Amino acid sequence: RKEVEQDPGPFNVPEGATVAFNCTYSNSASQSFFWYRQDCRKEPKLLMSVYSSGNEDGRFTAQLNRASQYISLLIRDSKLSDSATYLCVVNGWNTDKLIFGTGTRLQVFP
Amino acid sequence: DAGITQSPRHKVTETGTPVTLRCHQTENHRYMYWYRQDPGHGLRLIHYSYGVKDTDKGEVSDGYSVSRSKTEDFLLTLESATSSQTSVYFCAISTQGSNQPQHFGDGTRLSIL
Repeated sequence: RKEVEQDPGPFNVPEGATVAFNCTYSNSASQSFFWYRQDCRKEPKLLMSVYSSGNEDGRFTAQLNRASQYISLLIRDSKLSDSATYLCVVNGWNTDKLIFGTGTRLQVFP
Repeated sequence: DAGITQSPRHKVTETGTPVTLRCHQTENHRYMYWYRQDPGHGLRLIHYSYGVKDTDKGEVSDGYSVSRSKTEDFLLTLESATSSQTSVYFCAISTQGSNQPQHFGDGTRLSIL
């Protein structure tokens, strides 16, 4: 089983739609969780950290479910500019390393 | 802008030649990382550094070596490049290592013919 698993998509949604991605992780001791965004042929960029109580940043909401070992990203009112690959990232306990999922591709169409 | 510069940005070379990629940061961060990204595999850690002359292996370190003689520079060397090392290479930095997000450079596209 992969340490971090994501549905590769693509998710094709119209502008204005709400879309949600889930990501599961295997290490129950993981302590830190992030969502990154990566545009085609560009570097990954931090979108948001994921906190235990859930957190929101504008149209983006992240949730953590430790019991089921998954994190989620909800995007409301999708924009064309949201089209990208979204990477789920997890940190293991007592390690300096991050583990990256292979990403979920989102395509927003007019 | 996280103050990370990777060089070169693109390189094409032949099998068997040595290749060195450079990552330079201006932020004095302690932790630096080298990843490769390939279709279907996502980002995979090659080597990382937690200080000057302190380095450790990642999950795909075979065929690669690194050096960090100064805080600001982290070098990745392919001693004898192979076609399987054709990839996009990203350098990343982190303020504290564990439990903190990493910030990436623009990447180096390396083709081994």
